[in-house]
Amino acid sequence: AQSVSQHNHHVILSEAASLELGCNYSYGGTVNLFWYVQYPGQHLQLLLKYFSGDPLVKGIKGFEAEFIKSKFSFNLRKPSVQWSDTAEYFCAVNPGNTPLVFGKGTRLSVIA
Amino acid sequence: GAGVSQSPSNKVTEKGKDVELRCDPISGHTALYWYRQSLGQGLEFLIYFQGNSAPDKSGLPSDRFSAERTGGSVSTLTIQRTQQEDSAVYLCASYGGGDTQYFGPGTRLTVL
Repeated sequence: AQSVSQHNHHVILSEAASLELGCNYSYGGTVNLFWYVQYPGQHLQLLLKYFSGDPLVKGIKGFEAEFIKSKFSFNLRKPSVQWSDTAEYFCAVNPGNTPLVFGKGTRLSVIA
Repeated sequence: GAGVSQSPSNKVTEKGKDVELRCDPISGHTALYWYRQSLGQGLEFLIYFQGNSAPDKSGLPSDRFSAERTGGSVSTLTIQRTQQEDSAVYLCASYGGGDTQYFGPGTRLTVL
């Protein structure tokens, strides 16, 4: 069965620090990869996605992620976090139009 | 409407009671998914409807859980004889062939 691993349960950063959240998946075939964000009290929103092409994808709010096929990884990055980035981040994978398989999430707390 | 809506937003019930959770997907979206978000478990797939095909129930945790989708639109998730471990946020998502599934705000279920 497919699985998604997010290495960090809770990350605490100061404003302006750089962010990298790890994500590894187990599926060996062609997959679609996603990062979703859930701000406090809000519903899940798509941050960015990778279907094919350039393995470095850019999303909203300055986030980017790099798909490394050989490592089965899709890590999320942001060069300089802001307090407003405090949220929970979920990596997800699906091969085509199938239910998403999510990681357990990483809670990011950004402190001033 | 413009997005996926779910009702109620919050539901508190007593152990052993039945509950129904409703999802209104984006108009025209043929696929509808139910997920559950609980502490420590992340987001788990429950059930998936695609058009007129038989639903994929592989994620339902027990036979107390069931769902139906009427007229290819609105869906109801029913939990019979609720248990405390059913307490979670139940999320609905719909998909219409675009980039990603779109999530509703969720129903927070608390079983006392």
